[in-house]
Amino acid sequence: EAQVTQNPRYLITVTGKKLTVTCSQNMNHEYMSWYRQDPGLGLRQIYYSMNVEVTDKGDVPEGYKVSRKEKRNFPLILESPSPNQTSLYFCASSLSGSYNEQFFGPGTRLTVL
Amino acid sequence: AQSVAQPEDQVNVAEGNPLTVKCTYSVSGNPYLFWYVQYPNRGLQFLLKYITGDNLVKGSYGFEAEFNKSQTSFHLKKPSALVSDSALYFCAVRYMDTGRRALTFGSGTRLQVQP
Repeated sequence: EAQVTQNPRYLITVTGKKLTVTCSQNMNHEYMSWYRQDPGLGLRQIYYSMNVEVTDKGDVPEGYKVSRKEKRNFPLILESPSPNQTSLYFCASSLSGSYNEQFFGPGTRLTVL
Repeated sequence: AQSVAQPEDQVNVAEGNPLTVKCTYSVSGNPYLFWYVQYPNRGLQFLLKYITGDNLVKGSYGFEAEFNKSQTSFHLKKPSALVSDSALYFCAVRYMDTGRRALTFGSGTRLQVQP
């Protein structure tokens, strides 16, 4: 089944404790992206990747890192999480570029205490 | 900067009536426009997109949207609403003419269809 998977689905952590949210797709998509969803703000793009080893900032990249060493994986790294990063995070992928239909993962709900 | 606005936080409509969810975008070059839907506790699902060509775009689940360049709008429509259409709807834009490849989403509109 074609899908985007994220792990973990739920995470509660404390300020400053490094964490990684994994994202994997099995559709051989070139484009992958991370978003955060906050009430009243919709989805905001954190980072995106056009292909392996090619990443770029979205609208809200501060406090996040990404890497794209393999085509299928696009982990999101929070080196020192803070409470304002409490949010619902979505990973998405598309065949090539943001002008194609994006397939979204199920989401990761992160709480930073 | 590219931006998109969804002026209504919530739209209420009776089942069987036509529905419209509004979206406007900022004027700056030629846009790619999208609609996505989010059901409770799920990720977003693609509904339809406008790239170029016919201004009326047909998508999944009987939805359609009309691109109106003069009004910079891309409203989502359906002739007859179903209770199962109740969900959160997002409009998104990306501009063709710039090097910026990021996709910008609106704040979302909650559609409530009453039986």
